[in-house]
Amino acid sequence: GIQVEQSPPDLILQEGANSTLRCNFSDSVNNLQWFHQNPWGQLINLFYIPSGTKQNGRLSATTVATERYSLLYISSSQTTDSGVYFCAVVAGYALNFGKGTSLLVTP
Amino acid sequence: GAVVSQHPSRVICKSGTSVKIECRSLDFQATTMFWYRQFPKKSLMLMATSNEGSKATYEQGVEKDKFLINHASLTLSTLTVTSAHPEDSSFYICSASLGGNTEAFFGQGTRLTVV
Repeated sequence: GIQVEQSPPDLILQEGANSTLRCNFSDSVNNLQWFHQNPWGQLINLFYIPSGTKQNGRLSATTVATERYSLLYISSSQTTDSGVYFCAVVAGYALNFGKGTSLLVTP
Repeated sequence: GAVVSQHPSRVICKSGTSVKIECRSLDFQATTMFWYRQFPKKSLMLMATSNEGSKATYEQGVEKDKFLINHASLTLSTLTVTSAHPEDSSFYICSASLGGNTEAFFGQGTRLTVV
């Protein structure tokens, strides 16, 4: 099956800093989504981005499908940004998840 | 976006009993829903694909007799963990989309603890 690799696995930032999270995938995909998992476990949809660039407030994402990677940018990070960020792709019928990036933003 | 509701959010049951988890699409019809399992500090693993009106499709290694899936309507899929044991304790979460490769939305998840 398709492989999804996320980096870095862990990240600690000071409030106000910027960061870039990366997602590499091993095959062509029909769908790519970024999620933020909050402390209660719920997955919050951040971006549906099989290709191109999107922005939503302090977050933006870019997917270069031909090169099989996607980037999630977080600018001016806040403590509420802490949590696990997952990239997930569909190559057949269901989302396949990476292992996530665990982000901690300190005051 | 579309709303997927999962219930209960948390359940504790005794070993040997069965637990039913519901997943509902509130504002759209979903012919297909997906069930995932997540262990602490791990990623989400697809367990099965729930198909309305037909049998579920299980991923390799998932026991279909232990994890019974019923998708009786276009807005409801249920996962029943039968004869639960402590090793079944986990976070279970469902998802649905508007079809094809459109954006998927997730329920709130269910944290199951078997004692």
